[in-house]
Amino acid sequence: AQSVSQHNHHVILSEAASLELGCNYSYGGTVNLFWYVQYPGQHLQLLLKYFSGDPLVKGIKGFEAEFIKSKFSFNLRKPSVQWSDTAEYFCAVNAVNAGNMLTFGGGTRLMVKP
Amino acid sequence: DVKVTQSSRYLVKRTGEKVFLECVQDMDHENMFWYRQDPGLGLRLIYFSYDVKMKEKGDIPEGYSVSREKKERFSLILESASTNQTSMYLCASGRGGVQETQYFGPGTRLLVL
Repeated sequence: AQSVSQHNHHVILSEAASLELGCNYSYGGTVNLFWYVQYPGQHLQLLLKYFSGDPLVKGIKGFEAEFIKSKFSFNLRKPSVQWSDTAEYFCAVNAVNAGNMLTFGGGTRLMVKP
Repeated sequence: DVKVTQSSRYLVKRTGEKVFLECVQDMDHENMFWYRQDPGLGLRLIYFSYDVKMKEKGDIPEGYSVSREKKERFSLILESASTNQTSMYLCASGRGGVQETQYFGPGTRLLVL
C-alpha cells in the first residue's frame, strides 16, 4: 500500500518568510498529486494539483509545488507567507491505475506570526 | 462551484447509539467518499462509492457501513457508536476518471460519550 509522509507537523513562520513544506510518497508508478488546505473553521480546499506535464505547478494564493519523480516528492512552496496562510496543509497522492483512492499525509499545521 | 454538504456540523452521541451521517453533492459526481480526520493522522478513507448501490471498503471500514440509494447522497452509518469513533468525518465527491479531483464537505465533528 502506498504511503505519504509530511515531515513537518508544525511550522511557525513570521510574515514575509519563505515556506517549503515537504511531501514524499512511496508508490513507484504513475501518480496524481494534490495539496489541500484547511483554514481554521473551514472545509478542506484544493490548493493545487499535478496530473502530468510541467512538474512545476502553480496554485491559488501564490502557492506552487514541484514534482520530482526521482525523489518521490511533491514539496509545496510560497516565497512570502502572510498571516492569512495560517492553516493546516495536506499532501495527497492517487496511484493511477490503482483506483481513485487518495492517500493523505498526516498534515502540517502552519502558523504565521503577524 | 461544486457543493458538498453534510447534515450536521456537530453531533454528540452516547456509546452504543446508531449514528447516521448524511452527505449530499450537487454536481452529479459518480464517486463519493467518507474519511475520518484525526490529528497527526491526516485523512483516512473509510468507504467509497463509485455508483448507486455500489460501495468499496477503504483503509479503515471496521465499525462503519454506508448506503448510497441515490447518486447525490452518501450516508455513513455507525451501527453502535464507540468512544474511539470520536472524530471529524469528511465527505467528498469526484466526477471519476483517471484525473479526478475530490471536493470536500465542511465536516461533521462527532463526539461519542
